[in-house]
Amino acid sequence: KQEVTQIPAALSVPEGENLVLNCSFTDSAIYNLQWFRQDPGKGLTSLLLIQSSQREQTSGRLNASLDKSSGRSTLYIAASQPGDSATYLCAVKPLNYGGSQGNLIFGKGTKLSVKP
Amino acid sequence: SQTIHQWPATLVQPVGSPLSLECTVEGTSNPNLYWYRQAAGRGLQLLFYSIGIGQISSEVPQNLSASRPQDRQFILSSKKLLLSDSGFYLCAWSVRGWEQPQHFGDGTRLSIL
Repeated sequence: KQEVTQIPAALSVPEGENLVLNCSFTDSAIYNLQWFRQDPGKGLTSLLLIQSSQREQTSGRLNASLDKSSGRSTLYIAASQPGDSATYLCAVKPLNYGGSQGNLIFGKGTKLSVKP
Repeated sequence: SQTIHQWPATLVQPVGSPLSLECTVEGTSNPNLYWYRQAAGRGLQLLFYSIGIGQISSEVPQNLSASRPQDRQFILSSKKLLLSDSGFYLCAWSVRGWEQPQHFGDGTRLSIL
């Protein structure tokens, strides 16, 4: 059974610092991995999607890497800003799910606080 | 561009009352549609997904049901709400295909009294 873990559960950093959020998954048989941002009381905003054949994706100050064989992904945020404060979720789409196209398996997220 | 709408944003209902949450997608055709629930202290859990009108797959046994009466409309329902149905309900869509990303709505906060 696929399980996704995100460590740490919470992180507080001063503004301007570069930081890394971690995501690990137990089964390397995945189609892709997606990173999301969730602001309090809001829905999820998709940040980056990495296909299983890819090693990394970049968007602005964000860089996500994927090491499928070791079951790990990282989200790197450069020059953090107070506006980056949110909960960051990673989710994997399992390769073998009885034919279902439905299931994303989510971690519980890392709550990031960037202090001015 | 594609947009997804969910309503209502918040809802307070008594135990035993019915429920209807609606989700619509604009700017795309034949999307895959999903309902997730995010309970306090737990991760997001897929409840239902649909690959077409009238085609619903349930991921977990529960007190809820889903329907897709139109291509871009997805409805989450219950005949009698339980306290355990409280949570944050999120609708999502994706383009057809295993590799496609999912895009989420703003969610509905459901409180059962």
